[in-house]
Amino acid sequence: QVTLKESGPGILQPSQTLSLTCSFSGFSLSTYGMCVGWIRQSSGKGLEWLANIWWNDDKYYNPSLKNRLTISKDTSNNQAFLKITNMDTADTATYYCARSGYYSGGGFDYWGQGVMVTVSS
Amino acid sequence: DVQMTQSPYNLAASPGESVSINCKASKSISKYLAWYQQKPGKANKLLIYDGSTLQSGIPSRFSGSGSGTDFTLTIRSLEPEDFGLYYCQQHNEYPLTFGGGTKLELK
Repeated sequence: QVTLKESGPGILQPSQTLSLTCSFSGFSLSTYGMCVGWIRQSSGKGLEWLANIWWNDDKYYNPSLKNRLTISKDTSNNQAFLKITNMDTADTATYYCARSGYYSGGGFDYWGQGVMVTVSS
Repeated sequence: DVQMTQSPYNLAASPGESVSINCKASKSISKYLAWYQQKPGKANKLLIYDGSTLQSGIPSRFSGSGSGTDFTLTIRSLEPEDFGLYYCQQHNEYPLTFGGGTKLELK
């Protein structure tokens, strides 16, 4: 059974760095073709893809967030991470991690429930 | 970036009816389109990938079609649990991009 769960600080101030953790089970990020991605959704808005990390450590980022994103993984502990620097109120959103990979053609086949992050002074 | 435009924005239908949701890409994405369902309090659900491949466990009343720039999600004989938000997403190239969503409401 595949599960993913996001965790994060809940609230942080403008200019701070957001650190998110995705803890997953039921698959390994060391398996060929496996991928974990991060997607966010502002209240009442659509979905915005942020970053993907693949089993071979290939990483892809949304250029709209320029150089603010860093994705990483800890294969031994079945976790993936996302850091976003210089947070702004516009980054207030629910952040999701989701599994992807060759087995789902690149679609995200399992999602976490999401973690709400509020940026406020 | 590939822009994804979904239509309609809102859709009202009754159980038992069939509906279609459209997704248009700003350039060709071959067959590489996914469809998701989003409902409050539930994890987002992958319905279709590669344009027409039904994800495991998804009822056969859901179907996807299209290639290139124009895609359609069709839901035959709507069930009460089908009402919610639907998003398309291209997985042909980075950055991955989503459509703006379609809200399927009970008439």
